[in-house]
Amino acid sequence: GDSVTQMEGPVTLSEEAFLTINCTYTATGYPSLFWYVQYPGEGLQLLLKATKADDKGSNKGFEATYRKETTSFHLEKGSVQVSDSAVYFCALSDYGGSQGNLIFGKGTKLSVKP
Amino acid sequence: DADVTQTPRNRITKTGKRIMLECSQTKGHDRMYWYRQDPGLGLRLIYYSFDVKDINKGEISDGYSVSRQAQAKFSLSLESAIPNQTALYFCATSVGGQGPGQGKLFFGSGTQLSVL
Repeated sequence: GDSVTQMEGPVTLSEEAFLTINCTYTATGYPSLFWYVQYPGEGLQLLLKATKADDKGSNKGFEATYRKETTSFHLEKGSVQVSDSAVYFCALSDYGGSQGNLIFGKGTKLSVKP
Repeated sequence: DADVTQTPRNRITKTGKRIMLECSQTKGHDRMYWYRQDPGLGLRLIYYSFDVKDINKGEISDGYSVSRQAQAKFSLSLESAIPNQTALYFCATSVGGQGPGQGKLFFGSGTQLSVL
């Protein structure tokens, strides 16, 4: 079945460092891809999305490009801030498949130090 | 006020007890979901409902049941709680269809459940 694999954490960076969190997927259809973020003590919220190959999603300085050839959707940010400390989840939804429910990766915890 | 409200925020119960977690939303969304989050396992779908009369099992429905009392209310029950149901539970909502809102879930703040 469909699945999402993301890099294990925790990831610890200094403020203003470059961030990459790797995400790869397996899907039989043509999925839409998402990054969700969970700040401490809160529920998840959508960070960005891409619905077809070569699309780039972006929000709050974060970017991710839908790469069909490598089945990847890596999250990047050029200069992280302490406020970016959170858990990041990659997810997919194959609306060509069954019900289009989201399948989440296991999450990557990011800690940014001042 | 929060758009997706979960009650209680924290609950400690004993093995064998029946417990209900409640979720209500003011977003007017048709679709509602229950997930559980365990460290290192991410989020796993327990049940989902696309409207009041449509309820479906998710990946890990065993030991759980749900009730969609109204469009705005979706409750999760553990009929006889066991310790491995200790987890953080999230309710979420979304719009239906394949428009711009597809895949955008709105989550509550979660219920931390501990089964002793």
